Amino acid sequence: DSGVTQTPKHLITATGQRVTLRCSPRSGDLSVYWYQQSLDQGLQFLIQYYNGEERAKGNILERFSAQQFPDLHSELNLSSLELGDSALYFCASSVVGGVTGELFFGEGSRLTVL
Amino acid sequence: EDQVTQSPEALRLQEGESSSLNCSYTVSGLRGLFWYRQDPGKGPEFLFTLYSAGEEKEKERLKATLTKKESFLHITAPKPEDSATYLCAVQAGRNTDKLIFGTGTRLQVFP
Repeated sequence: DSGVTQTPKHLITATGQRVTLRCSPRSGDLSVYWYQQSLDQGLQFLIQYYNGEERAKGNILERFSAQQFPDLHSELNLSSLELGDSALYFCASSVVGGVTGELFFGEGSRLTVL
Repeated sequence: EDQVTQSPEALRLQEGESSSLNCSYTVSGLRGLFWYRQDPGKGPEFLFTLYSAGEEKEKERLKATLTKKESFLHITAPKPEDSATYLCAVQAGRNTDKLIFGTGTRLQVFP
């Protein structure tokens, strides 16, 4: 158990809908990262927050947004969903800004868009 | 553009048959290279960090090495419980902490 909690574990929805994925980092970790993992593309970095502020941005679509709240939990919002958004979405956390590269990953949220 | 390439995509080994996984990278300003293990349906689990060419790290049957262009994950006398996908990632550049992952090597070890 990494100590990172993600909900929901599974989500099935229709195209055009909006979903919110939630992540609670390990106790004491200030950084939260979101990654998307699809079969053909591997783990793709989406966005990082550090202590409530956006720290780094990857290939995150404009239809996607994220935030980190004062209690350090984070949410990833996916809107106007398309079939291609079906993937595993991982949240990871680290103590500082990921300097050591040791990220602790949750078990992921599997999104299926029909 | 920073890039990480892993080979082979898949590897089948008999229990006890040692082998190596490769991770080649093209990045500007490498700050660290990382190996993770991922079991089916689970999140990646951290294994090693390597910071400079020539560095080596070991953990049980796994040994990671780093050169200026690539890293190897050597698996000595593997067991079925070593079956997993092994991911390589790099951290590069000055103003970002993100990790760039390769697509992984799926390892299957048969008894």
